[in-house]
Amino acid sequence: GESVGLHLPTLSVQEGDNSIINCAYSNSASDYFIWYKQESGKGPQFIIDIRSNMDKRQGQRVTVLLNKTVKHLSLQIAATQPGDSAVYFCAENSYTGGFKTIFGAGTRLFVKA
Amino acid sequence: GAGVSQSPRYKVAKRGQDVALRCDPISGHVSLFWYQQALGQGPEFLTYFQNEAQLDKSGLPSDRFFAERPEGSVSTLKIQRTQQEDSAVYLCASSLAAIVQETQYFGPGTRLLVL
Repeated sequence: GESVGLHLPTLSVQEGDNSIINCAYSNSASDYFIWYKQESGKGPQFIIDIRSNMDKRQGQRVTVLLNKTVKHLSLQIAATQPGDSAVYFCAENSYTGGFKTIFGAGTRLFVKA
Repeated sequence: GAGVSQSPRYKVAKRGQDVALRCDPISGHVSLFWYQQALGQGPEFLTYFQNEAQLDKSGLPSDRFFAERPEGSVSTLKIQRTQQEDSAVYLCASSLAAIVQETQYFGPGTRLLVL
């Protein structure tokens, strides 16, 4: 079945460095992709999204890149801060008679001070 | 403004016991989703409501799981005869519109432990 997965389960970066979190997806029909941040004991928090007709979108300190040819999604965090330490999930939304969101397993980001 | 709230935040149940988990979505949000998140995993879709209509329940793992949203606002996820494998965090999310490209806002989750 369709799945959204991540290349690396953990990522450790130095404070101030840039972080890149990768994700592969398998459903070429997906219309919409989202990155979520989840801190311990909390629900996922929206970070940034991208539609399938785009290949790049920028937010505040974050950029999402979408490569439909190889079905790859990445999240770039500039000048990573200790507050960025969390688990990051990519997710894809699709409509197949009803709305459905498929999440990847997550990447835990550690930011070293 | 108020976000999505869930109650209880923590629930311990004995195997075989029935439980009910409540979700209060953001006021006016049409869409409501339930997810199950096992430890160290991403959330898994359970079911989707558009107003009071349950349009997709394909993710419910068994007929012991039942969800309702009778008035199109508050939703309840009920698990009958709980089993140890039901232990997980149950997340609720809502979104304003019933379109694919719509941000979902998540509640803090209910952590269920079945002994």
